[in-house]
Amino acid sequence: LAKTTQPISMDSYEGQEVNITCSHNNIATNDYITWYQQFPSQGPRFIIQGYKTKVTNEVASLFIPADRKSSTLSLPRVSLSDTAVYYCLVGEMSSGGYNKLIFGAGTRLAVHP
Amino acid sequence: GAGVSQSPSNKVTEKGKDVELRCDPISGHTALYWYRQRLGQGLEFLIYFQGNSAPDKSGLPSDRFSAERTGESVSTLTIQRTQQEDSAVYLCASSPWMNTEAFFGQGTRLTVV
Repeated sequence: LAKTTQPISMDSYEGQEVNITCSHNNIATNDYITWYQQFPSQGPRFIIQGYKTKVTNEVASLFIPADRKSSTLSLPRVSLSDTAVYYCLVGEMSSGGYNKLIFGAGTRLAVHP
Repeated sequence: GAGVSQSPSNKVTEKGKDVELRCDPISGHTALYWYRQRLGQGLEFLIYFQGNSAPDKSGLPSDRFSAERTGESVSTLTIQRTQQEDSAVYLCASSPWMNTEAFFGQGTRLTVV
C-alpha cells in the first residue's frame, strides 16, 4: 500500500503559482513531510520539510492542515526551469526502528512558455 | 569534496559479471541511502545505513545485491552476476541524521549488455 499519493503529472505556465497536493492518510505521529525535486539525469534535491501548519523558504511554501493527512507544495511564479519531478515523502520506520526515505512515483511538472 | 560523490559515473558490464559501485558521503553524515532508478521511473529504495549498520535490508532486490559501509564513511554496493534488468541509475544519498535533508550524488549509470 502506497505511503503517499500525488498526481502523476501537472502542467502550468510561466509566472503562475503551482500547488501540488500529496495525500498521506496513514501518517504517523513522528513523521515529517518532505519534498524533493529531481531534474533529468540528476539526483533529487531537497526543497522543503515540515511537520504541521506552514513552512516557507526561499524556494517554496508547504501547507499542512491540522489533521496532517495531506500537504500542499506551493511554488510561486514558476519558470521553465521549474520543470521537474516533485516527490512527496513521509518518514517510514524500518524494521530496525530507524526512519528511511521512501520515494513515491512523484509528480511530473511541465512549465510552458 | 563538498557533496556526495559516486563512482564510476558510468559503468558498462557484461551479463554475469560482478560490479562494485562506490559512494563517498558528505563528511560527518551518519545516514547513507542507496536507491535504484530505472529509466522514466521513480526511486526504488534499496538499503539504508545508520553509521555502519544497515537496520533494514528488505529493499535489496535479490541476494545478488549486497552493500557495506565502513568507518561511517564510504559505502559500496555490490551486484553479483549482473542481469540486464539491473541496468539503471544507482543513486546514493547521505544526511546528518534521520528526518533531515538528504543530499544526493549524481548517480552511477549501470548498463548490463
